[in-house]
Amino acid sequence: ETGVTQSPTHLIKTRGQQVTLRCSSQSGHNTVSWYQQALGQGPQFIFQYYREEENGRGNFPPRFSGLQFPNYSSELNVNALELDDSALYLCASSLGGQGSYEQYFGPGTRLTVT
Amino acid sequence: AQSVAQPEDQVNVAEGNPLTVKCTYSVSGNPYLFWYVQYPNRGLQFLLKYITGDNLVKGSYGFEAEFNKSQTSFHLKKPSALVSDSALYFCAGFYNQGGKLIFGQGTELSVKP
Repeated sequence: ETGVTQSPTHLIKTRGQQVTLRCSSQSGHNTVSWYQQALGQGPQFIFQYYREEENGRGNFPPRFSGLQFPNYSSELNVNALELDDSALYLCASSLGGQGSYEQYFGPGTRLTVT
Repeated sequence: AQSVAQPEDQVNVAEGNPLTVKCTYSVSGNPYLFWYVQYPNRGLQFLLKYITGDNLVKGSYGFEAEFNKSQTSFHLKKPSALVSDSALYFCAGFYNQGGKLIFGQGTELSVKP
């Protein structure tokens, strides 16, 4: 186990609703990255937070937003849910935002949008 | 465009035989490359990384990977496969563009007894 935890484990929402996913980083890590993994696909980078600031963003619309707290835990918020948002959402923590630091992943939150 | 590719959707190996899971990358500059494994209904588990230095990188559970700059490849290898190695394997590259880790599409490894 990596020490990265995510909640909830599973979630079912209706199209148009809003959702908040949570992630607690591994002890000592100050960076959290979020990924979306659709069924049968590799994870796609959503954004990264380093010391409470957004450090980079992937090709996702503004209705995907995030936050990092002083204890380095993080939230992913998705507004106006669409059916295509159904996926496994993974967060990963690391010692820093640079590539030399490997990212450690949590178990994920499975989001189903109906 | 920066990319990572895994040309095989599935690899089948008999237990005890060597295994190779292929990965190629496209990047300008020097890449940082990683291998992760994913078991059903689980997150990704870090196996190994290449940053710089020796082209042969050793990782967890007896896995190793060979970085080949001329062929832009980073293949995952293990001398003797176990049934418990059966899982989904992802190659990933980090290009220092705002923390972005780019993943391949994954290779399903099946090891039969």
